[in-house]
Amino acid sequence: NAGVTQTPKFRVLKTGQSMTLLCAQDMNHEYMYWYRQDPGMGLRLIHYSVGEGTTAKGEVPDGYNVSRLKKQNFLLGLESAAPSQTSVYFCASSSPLRGEQYFGPGTRLTVT
Amino acid sequence: SQQGEEDPQALSIQEGENATMNCSYKTSINNLQWYRQNSGRGLVHLILIRSNEREKHSGRLRVTLDTSKKSSSLLITASRAADTASYFCATDANSGAGSYQLTFGKGTKLSVIP
Repeated sequence: NAGVTQTPKFRVLKTGQSMTLLCAQDMNHEYMYWYRQDPGMGLRLIHYSVGEGTTAKGEVPDGYNVSRLKKQNFLLGLESAAPSQTSVYFCASSSPLRGEQYFGPGTRLTVT
Repeated sequence: SQQGEEDPQALSIQEGENATMNCSYKTSINNLQWYRQNSGRGLVHLILIRSNEREKHSGRLRVTLDTSKKSSSLLITASRAADTASYFCATDANSGAGSYQLTFGKGTKLSVIP
């Protein structure tokens, strides 16, 4: 099993450009999450999903959109990137029966 | 907002010594979890302790939970150089939505010197 995978691993954007980050999991988990990690800030929840076709806002949702069209995929979109969105983005998934989350390797995004 | 706060922010020990990290939180919880993050990698789940549990063990890891003090500690015994990483505590949102939303602290950076 690959677990949780993220695409791409690195990306550099100019201010105003858009992009989509892809997260895929092969553990048949119901729940999926997008976090951002900034130096000295720990992880902050952007959006999450409790099932296919459902999404909800987390702690820092502004400037991001998400979609969960298939159970195994969770997409994070930036419509108009800003330098404040420079960060490392992590996707995670979990089962409703167990509390632990499984994380992907991260995407390092730089917005210039 | 940060629910869990780890202490210390950084810890440096010799190989073979024990390492203790603490986590304090503010509101009631369903469970508290500890994760490890090696440099440049994703987080790896270490252990979960429920609010009705006081102590839990997993290999060289020992976690305690004191809900009256809203605090937890992670003890790593007989540390190894491979334990060098950042360690995060995470508490659930207790939102009742069943989504297992976690709120992470800022982490403790552990360095184990060979």
